Order: sequence, then C-alpha cells, then structure tokens
Amino acid sequence: GQSLEQPSEVTAVEGAIVQINCTYQTSGFYGLSWYQQHDGGAPTFLSYNALDGLEETGRFSSFLSRSDSYGYLLLQELQMKDSASYFCAVRVDMFSGGYNKLIFGAGTRLAVHP
Amino acid sequence: DVKVTQSSRYLVKRTGEKVFLECVQDMDHENMFWYRQDPGLGLRLIYFSYDVKMKEKGDIPEGYSVSREKKERFSLILESASTNQTSMYLCASSLEQLGTGPDTQYFGPGTRLTVL
Repeated sequence: GQSLEQPSEVTAVEGAIVQINCTYQTSGFYGLSWYQQHDGGAPTFLSYNALDGLEETGRFSSFLSRSDSYGYLLLQELQMKDSASYFCAVRVDMFSGGYNKLIFGAGTRLAVHP
Repeated sequence: DVKVTQSSRYLVKRTGEKVFLECVQDMDHENMFWYRQDPGLGLRLIYFSYDVKMKEKGDIPEGYSVSREKKERFSLILESASTNQTSMYLCASSLEQLGTGPDTQYFGPGTRLTVL
C-alpha cells in the first residue's frame, strides 16, 4: 500500500526554527508537496520537490531525499501566523490513463507560542 | 487569483437523504477533485475529473458519485447519506497533469456535512 508518516503535533516559540518530517512508502512517485491549512481555512500550496535537495522560498524551505523516501519542511523565524496544520503530499502515478494524484499525510499541527 | 467556491459551508442532512455538494472554479482548470478530511486521516481522494463528463475513482469512492457537465463545475453526490459520511468535504482544482511538476491544487473553503 501507499503511506505517509508525519508527526501529529509540533510546538515552537516565535523566532525559532522548526522542522516537520515526512516519510513515505509509495510506488510511481513523482514528487513531494507541502500544504498549509489554518483552522477553518482551505489548504494552500507551499512547496514542491521533484528532485533531491533543498528548495527555498522565503522563510520556508523544503527538502527531499528520494533514496531515503524522506522529506521535510523547514520553517525559519517563526511567527504566530505560522500556527497551522501542515500536510505533506506525494504525487504518484495512478497507473491508469496516465493520470496521477496526491496522497496526503495526516497532517502536523504546529503551535507557535510567544 | 484562482477561486474555488463551494455551495455551502455547513450542511445538516438526515440518514438516507440524497445530498449534492457543488464546486465551481473560475480559472479554466482541467482537473477537479473531491476530498474528505477527517481528523487524524488527512485528506482522502474520493473522485477526480480530468475533463468534462470524465471521472476517475479515487481512494474512497464507495457511497459517492460525481458529475461534471461543465468545465467549471464539479458535483459530489451522496446517493443515500449515512452517518459515517459526516465529514469535511473539500473541492480542489488544478491546471493540468502533464510532466512531473507540482500540479498545484487550489482548494475551496470546504463544506462541513453532518448526517444525523
């Protein structure tokens, strides 16, 4: 089967750095995405890694190691507004008609405290 | 900005009722998706559509059907609602699935459905 694992909760203080890990077991892997969802809000796209290495977008970075089936989201200079749930999602081949889909992890709830 | 709207934010239905959830996107996206979101389970794909009148089953299609008569509109149908279908339902759209890029999905605000 296909599965993703990420921690259920992470707590940090303002200004700190936090890393949210994601390990996956899938077939037909294309890449790893990260989505952010505030309470009561819609998930929004943060980043995507198709190749090994680090991708940086402002205060957020995302890393992928395809050989280790592992990735992480790194949030720097944490702000209160970063309190949200973060989902890793693997893009995988559906092996049907050439289509692919996202499989989401259960999500990591990040609480940022003053 | 991409905008995905859903017909209701909150919906309460009774067991056995037929339920329609509607989703509209305004960016001419090819692909549209229906997910349900439950605590501790993340988002699970119910159905998706890659073109008008086309559909593919996702990971949990049982008890659901979909309709896509127009490119901008994707409907989720619960033929006979049951209590285990109480959940948050999220619609999403994306531009295309070519290549190995992110296929960024844009989500609507969700419909919280309660089946009594």
